[in-house]
Amino acid sequence: RKEVEQDPGPFNVPEGATVAFNCTYSNSASQSFFWYRQDCRKEPKLLMSVYSSGNEDGRFTAQLNRASQYISLLIRDSKLSDSATYLCVVNMLNTGFQKLVFGTGTRLLVSP
Amino acid sequence: NAGVTQTPKFRVLKTGQSMTLLCAQDMNHEYMYWYRQDPGMGLRLIHYSVGEGTTAKGEVPDGYNVSRLKKQNFLLGLESAAPSQTSVYFCASSYSKTSGAGGLVAKNIQYFGAGTRLSVL
Repeated sequence: RKEVEQDPGPFNVPEGATVAFNCTYSNSASQSFFWYRQDCRKEPKLLMSVYSSGNEDGRFTAQLNRASQYISLLIRDSKLSDSATYLCVVNMLNTGFQKLVFGTGTRLLVSP
Repeated sequence: NAGVTQTPKFRVLKTGQSMTLLCAQDMNHEYMYWYRQDPGMGLRLIHYSVGEGTTAKGEVPDGYNVSRLKKQNFLLGLESAAPSQTSVYFCASSYSKTSGAGGLVAKNIQYFGAGTRLSVL
């Protein structure tokens, strides 16, 4: 089983739609969680951290369910510029070293 | 505001050739990392460094070597390139923040360079 699993998509949505991505992780010792965004042929960039209480940044809402080992990202009012791959990332402490484990990403395509 | 800079951006090698990828960061981060990204797979950690003069193996270290002689630089070497090393290579750096009463809550926010696209023929 992969340590971090995501639906690869693509998710095709019209502008203005609401879309949600899910991610599951296998290691219950995971300590912190992130969503990164990666545009085609570019580097990953931090979109937002994910906190246990859930957090919101503009049109983006992230939630964490530790009991189910599940992370979600909700994007409201999708824009064309939201088209990208969204990487679910989990930080684990492994023998004193903090290791980021990346999902393979969920691709989002927003159309006019 | 450079952040993390990787050179070169592109390179084509023949099997058996060697090369060095350079990563430089100006954020005074302690930790630096080299990843590779292949289609259908998440980023995989090749080697990492927790400080100047230290390096350690990640998930896929075979065929690569690294050095961290200065805090701001992390070099990735391919001694004898193979077609299986065709990939996109990303360098990253991070600070690590821990906080929380009665325990540690670790944060490891990594910042990435623009990547190096390497083809080995």
